[in-house]
Amino acid sequence: GQNIDQPTEMTATEGAIVQINCTYQTSGFNGLFWYQQHAGEAPTFLSYNVLDGLEEKGRFSSFLSRSKGYSYLLLKELQMKDSASYLCAVKDSNYQLIWGAGTKLIIKP
Amino acid sequence: SQTIHQWPATLVQPVGSPLSLECTVEGTSNPNLYWYRQAAGRGLQLLFYSVGIGQISSEVPQNLSASRPQDRQFILSSKKLLLSDSGFYLCAWNAGEAGELFFGEGSRLTVL
Repeated sequence: GQNIDQPTEMTATEGAIVQINCTYQTSGFNGLFWYQQHAGEAPTFLSYNVLDGLEEKGRFSSFLSRSKGYSYLLLKELQMKDSASYLCAVKDSNYQLIWGAGTKLIIKP
Repeated sequence: SQTIHQWPATLVQPVGSPLSLECTVEGTSNPNLYWYRQAAGRGLQLLFYSVGIGQISSEVPQNLSASRPQDRQFILSSKKLLLSDSGFYLCAWNAGEAGELFFGEGSRLTVL
């Protein structure tokens, strides 16, 4: 079957750096997405990786290794507003999105 | 600019009652539209998607149905709600270079 694994919950300190990991086992691969979802709200798109390597967008970066079935989202200079769930999703060979359950990130002052 | 809206935002319905959630997209034509459900602690579950008017694909057999009466309108319905239908329902369309999804505001349904 198809599977996306990410930690259920992480805690970090304001101003620090945190890395959220995502491992996947899917039938084919056509890209990996990261979304941010604040409590009670809809997810919003953060990043997309289809080739190996690091994609940087301001304080957020996303890394992909297709051979390892692995990605991470790196958040720098953490702010209280970064407290949210972070969802990893993979597009499989049929271009269907497979979603992880999300990682709840708690930021402490 | 393109926007997507869904309503109502919150619903509390008794078991056995009907359901209608509506989603509209503005600023684009012939979008691919999706209905997802999100249960606590689980990944988003794709319920239905549509590539055009009257074209609906169902991913999960259940007592829900979807319709697309107009190009930019997508409706999720049920004739008789079950307790297990409770959840956070999200309408989405895909755009952008990567085909990323843009979501509506979400509709939280509680079935009592």
